[in-house]
Amino acid sequence: AAGVIQSPRHLIKEKRETATLKCYPIPRHDTVYWYQQGPGQDPQFLISFYEKMQSDKGSIPDRFSAQQFSDYHSELNMSSLELGDSALYFCASSPSGTRMSDTQYFGPGTRLTVL
Amino acid sequence: GIQVEQSPPDLILQEGANSTLRCNFSDSVNNLQWFHQNPWGQLINLFYIPSGTKQNGRLSATTVATERYSLLYISSSQTTDSGVYFCAVEQGYNQGGKLIFGQGTELSVKP
Repeated sequence: AAGVIQSPRHLIKEKRETATLKCYPIPRHDTVYWYQQGPGQDPQFLISFYEKMQSDKGSIPDRFSAQQFSDYHSELNMSSLELGDSALYFCASSPSGTRMSDTQYFGPGTRLTVL
Repeated sequence: GIQVEQSPPDLILQEGANSTLRCNFSDSVNNLQWFHQNPWGQLINLFYIPSGTKQNGRLSATTVATERYSLLYISSSQTTDSGVYFCAVEQGYNQGGKLIFGQGTELSVKP
């Protein structure tokens, strides 16, 4: 069965650089979520999209932005990177909109290291 | 916001032993999922279980929504079961669907 695809899997950047993380949801899934997991921490919700519109926002820094495209893939753009942005970034998708609950399927994550 | 507490925080088992992991939550939930994060960082979905009981091989889970807790049972543990087990909940309807994670239970299974 198809799973959530994230790219790249690993990314190394310098402070103040920018990074773009990509997420390809499971086919026919219309909702995408982004989570950030720092070292030794539990995943924290960043932002979500339903039918290409932002549906919810968590503790996402103003330096970060995201969008969902017409083919439902999503990109998380991170600018002015800081050392504290080093984390594992997960994308998840689900087949339902925000009105109904359903299983969220997580991608393998992108490990971002900021030097 | 909703609080999610998992216990125990750490657990060391001998291979073949059974264990029970607990997840308490402070308010009614619309969704509850159990995940296993393996040593490579991958989050594996184990159960979607907002209520009731489910079983999948050596793993089973029970959620008692009225009492606001969920239990994950691991039987005949194997070294490959090692990793961190997370419980995550979605609070209420029309809350955007975001999951709130507990702090996790770190399981180590020794051969």
